[in-house]
Amino acid sequence: GDSVTQMEGPVTLSEEAFLTINCTYTATGYPSLFWYVQYPGEGLQLLLKATKADDKGSNKGFEATYRKETTSFHLEKGSVQVSDSAVYFCALRPNSGGSNYKLTFGKGTLLTVNP
Amino acid sequence: GAVVSQHPSWVICKSGTSVKIECRSLDFQATTMFWYRQFPKQSLMLMATSNEGSKATYEQGVEKDKFLINHASLTLSTLTVTSAHPEDSSFYICSATTGEANEKLFFGSGTQLSVL
Repeated sequence: GDSVTQMEGPVTLSEEAFLTINCTYTATGYPSLFWYVQYPGEGLQLLLKATKADDKGSNKGFEATYRKETTSFHLEKGSVQVSDSAVYFCALRPNSGGSNYKLTFGKGTLLTVNP
Repeated sequence: GAVVSQHPSWVICKSGTSVKIECRSLDFQATTMFWYRQFPKQSLMLMATSNEGSKATYEQGVEKDKFLINHASLTLSTLTVTSAHPEDSSFYICSATTGEANEKLFFGSGTQLSVL
C-alpha cells in the first residue's frame, strides 16, 4: 500500500538557519504530494502541494519539488523564523480519479526555531 | 479561510463510558468529513469517511460498532467512542471538504482522549 516516510524529529534550529525536512513516498502511479503544517493549538493547514513530477510547490518561503526518480518531496526553507515552529506533515493522495481525498500521512516532524 | 471547529479539545473519561466528539464546518457546507486517529509519534491514520446523510465508510480494522459516526447535516459530523477503554486513548482529528472542483480540505484542531 501507499506510505510516506519523513524525517523524524524533533528538529531544533536557530533563527535564519536553513531547513530541510526529508520526505519519501511509496505509491503506485503518480500521486499528488502535500506538506501540511500544524501550529500549536490549531488544525492542520495545507502549506504547499505538487500534483505531478518536477512540479515545485511553494508558499511562505517554503519549497518542495516532486522528484519522481527519487520518490521524494523534501521540504526546504532558506531562512527559518521563530513563527515557523510547528509540526510538519508530508502526505500523498493517489490520483485515482473521482473526488477521493484519502490522504496518507507521514508521522510528522516537530520543528522548533529559537531566537 | 474556511474553518473547522472540533470539540472538545481534550477529554478524560472513565473506562466503559462513551465519549462524543463534534466536528463542525463553520463557514461552508462539508459534503464529506474524515476522521483520523493519531498515536504519539505515529502517522495520522484514516478511520472513516463520512458523507452527509449516508453511512460512514470505515477503513479496514476500524470497529464501526465502537466508533460511531453520524453526519446528519452538511455542517456537523460526530464521532462517538463507545465503551471506551484505555487503548482507545489517542488524538482524534476530523477534516472536511467543500466538495467543490478544487476540493480543499480543512482540518479541526484535534481532540486528545484519555481513558482511565
